[in-house]
Amino acid sequence: QVQLVQSGAELKKPGASVKVSCKASGYTFTNYIIHWVRQAPGQRLEWMGWINAGNDNTIYSQKFQGRVTITRDTSASTAYMELSSLTSEDAAVYYCARQTRTGEAFDIWGQGTMVTVSS
Amino acid sequence: QSALTQPASVSGSPGQSITISCTGTSSDVGGYNYVSWYQQYPGKVPKLMIYEVSDRPSGVSNRFSGSKSGNTASLTISGLQAEDEADYYCSSYTSTSTWVFGGGTKLTVL
Repeated sequence: QVQLVQSGAELKKPGASVKVSCKASGYTFTNYIIHWVRQAPGQRLEWMGWINAGNDNTIYSQKFQGRVTITRDTSASTAYMELSSLTSEDAAVYYCARQTRTGEAFDIWGQGTMVTVSS
Repeated sequence: QSALTQPASVSGSPGQSITISCTGTSSDVGGYNYVSWYQQYPGKVPKLMIYEVSDRPSGVSNRFSGSKSGNTASLTISGLQAEDEADYYCSSYTSTSTWVFGGGTKLTVL
């Protein structure tokens, strides 16, 4: 079945970087765009950026510009999101999500990766 | 990009209908028919309920419907059921090729 499986929970110190993976299966990875969305505890969903898995184009939210890097490995059907210079405000669940081919929406979501930032 | 504006909470009794609004600008909601809605239970992954303003993915109940007027999109749930109690988020494509979510609405079924 179509699914996105993310890497496990991370505990990072302030100032460090975190890299979360998102492995796709059940569909042709390069035919879709993958987005990254985060949700701090008790807070709203927050869009971070996307990568076109086919041509490697990326666009990032202005809020995270310069601190976030989204990449992909087509041979592994996996997308990655790396966030640097972590602070306590970056503690959140990070989701990857697949964009539909025609509907400009997010139809398949990963299970989420909890990132904790603590000294 | 500021978050789209949603009411923090709405409530309704079983069988009733409720509507959740999502207000943006002409650069997002008003400029494109790429508004989607997501249902999220506590601690769970968001689920796509409506895309392209008013289309439902396969498997989503027809009690859920969407619409848009100007810069405001709406999600209506008819025949409210206890299982509909969840958080709901709207999302829109924007003029800068980015996406933006709403602040989220907590639906309580009385």
